[in-house]
Amino acid sequence: DIQMTQSPSSLSASVGDRVTIICRASQSISSYLNWYQQKPGKAPKLLIYVASSLQSGVPSRFSGSGSGTDFTLTISSLQPEDFATYYCQQSYSAPSTFGGGTKVEIK
Amino acid sequence: QVQLQESGPGLVKPSETLSLTCTVSGGSISSYYWSWIRQPPGKGLEWIGYIYYSGSTYYNPSLKSRVTISVDTSKNQISLKLSSVTAADTAVYYCARATTVTVEYWGQGTLVTVSS
Repeated sequence: DIQMTQSPSSLSASVGDRVTIICRASQSISSYLNWYQQKPGKAPKLLIYVASSLQSGVPSRFSGSGSGTDFTLTISSLQPEDFATYYCQQSYSAPSTFGGGTKVEIK
Repeated sequence: QVQLQESGPGLVKPSETLSLTCTVSGGSISSYYWSWIRQPPGKGLEWIGYIYYSGSTYYNPSLKSRVTISVDTSKNQISLKLSSVTAADTAVYYCARATTVTVEYWGQGTLVTVSS
């Protein structure tokens, strides 16, 4: 299985901050990398697919980049509703695997 | 808008079989990969497997010997069976609609606890 490693596992930030989350794959996954946001007690919500495509309805402050093994999710200006846990997921090869998550907390 | 709703027992005894159903509304079950994904309390996400509407399946090798996923197109339902459960199978189980690239729609999830 392809291992997905996210860093940091948690971070504290203030409203308006620029936040960057890193996801690293154990082997090249081309651009088959997705990002999800999960709030407590809710299902994950798709934010970014194939590394950099913004899902319909997702605010433009979210962006994704990367290819191969290294990927980044950036929130350009953190909003109160963005405090959540973020997961990356590779869909390059089965079984699809997820990163361990990054919890974004209020500073 | 596609909606997915999981249903089934919230408590299963060790060594028994966990059975869940996902009912799809607002769209056809044709096409797409209908998936089950689980999340142990406070932990990350694990892909259990998927079924294509035609009936072909893929199971995570880590669970393959215990998992069966089936589809009933006449009822717009997908089912999950996981046999010989232990406490390690305690998790929120999500039904989801996926493509080859991503997971677009998720159910709200249902917590299944394995305990005697």
